[in-house]
This record gives sequence, structure tokens and C-alpha cells, in this order.
Amino acid sequence: NAGVTQTPKFQVLKTGQSMTLQCAQDMNHEYMSWYRQDPGMGLRLIHYSVGAGITDQGEVPNGYNVSRSTTEDFPLRLLSAAPSQTSVYFCASSLSGVRQPQHFGDGTRLSIL
Amino acid sequence: EDQVTQSPEALRLQEGESSSLNCSYTVSGLRGLFWYRQDPGKGPEFLFTLYSAGEEKEKERLKATLTKKESFLHITAPKPEDSATYLCAVQAGSNYKLTFGKGTLLTVNP
Repeated sequence: NAGVTQTPKFQVLKTGQSMTLQCAQDMNHEYMSWYRQDPGMGLRLIHYSVGAGITDQGEVPNGYNVSRSTTEDFPLRLLSAAPSQTSVYFCASSLSGVRQPQHFGDGTRLSIL
Repeated sequence: EDQVTQSPEALRLQEGESSSLNCSYTVSGLRGLFWYRQDPGKGPEFLFTLYSAGEEKEKERLKATLTKKESFLHITAPKPEDSATYLCAVQAGSNYKLTFGKGTLLTVNP
């Protein structure tokens, strides 16, 4: 019962470095998304995908890239890390994305120095 | 713009002391309202989906209800293991995204 798996669980980066946060799901869900969670704020959508080869921006997309080459995987790339990107990142998936609950991974805790 | 407001921000209860959490929302064309539970260091765990006013759903000590402007999460005779942050989210219009509230931190003391 893996569900949504995120790696790594923790990461520390220096300003300007790039990295990829991995997300994989084994539920054959078409919809996948990335959120960030910051203290005092609700979860905010970064990017989402409604199927392999299709991605779109959420409400806070700047500084992040995504691609979806398979149904299972949806990596999030930080192009040039900034301290403002220090956050907890959650990946989620659902069957269709519409009127369906999204199931979340346990997050990647990212610190940018 | 979709808005979700949860209250209170924090709630302390004694074991067995029933109470309710509130989620007020302003959206155009509600598609679904979702309740999640989040434990420290973990991702949100799905609890309920409500689609239309008047709908109710129950699971163990939790019961979620929905009106046209708000949702309540009723907790009956809570136990310490119910301690968590409870999140409310809405999906509306043609959007795929979930708009989340800031959550209610529930602490149940033995």
C-alpha cells in the first residue's frame, strides 16, 4: 500500500543550487499536483498535471518546473533555489482531479541557506 | 477568488468533551468540500468529501456537515489520538486546484 511516495524527506540547499523533488504514485491516478505548506498559510498549489504529457501552473509556479512523462511520476524541479523557497512540499494525486479527494505524500522538508 | 476560513485556529478539549470545528467558504460553483487530518511531520490524510448543502458524512467520532456557506466537523467524545490539525479545502468552478484553509489545531487532553 505505497500510495504517494516522495523523496527525499529532508534536503538542505545553498542559494542558487538546483534540485529535483521526486513524487511517485502507484494508484494509476491521472491527476497529480504539487503544493507547498508554509507556517501561517494554507497549502498552495504550485503545478498540476491531468495526465501524462499535460501540465499546468497553479497559484505559485515561479521558480519551479514540472514534467509528466509517465502516469506514475511527477517530479518538481527547483531551477535556482532561493531562501523564499524554504518550505514543506507535498505531492498529491487523485483519480481525475475533479470532485475526487486528493491523496498526499508525507512531504519533503526543504531548507535553502 | 475562492476563500476558505477555518475557526478556531486552535482548540483544546478534555477527553470526552464534544465540540465542532468550522470551515466558512466563499466560492463560485462549489464542486466539493474536503476535510483532511494532518499529523506533525506527515501529509494531509483524507477524511471526507461533501458535495452539496445538507449532506452529512460520518466516520467513527467524526461527523461532517455542509451548508451553502460553511461546513462543520463535529467531534463526539474525542480521544487523545484525535489530536491533529484539521484542514478544510474547497474545489470550485472549472478549477482543479484545492483552496485550503489554514487549519484548526486540535489538542485532546487525557
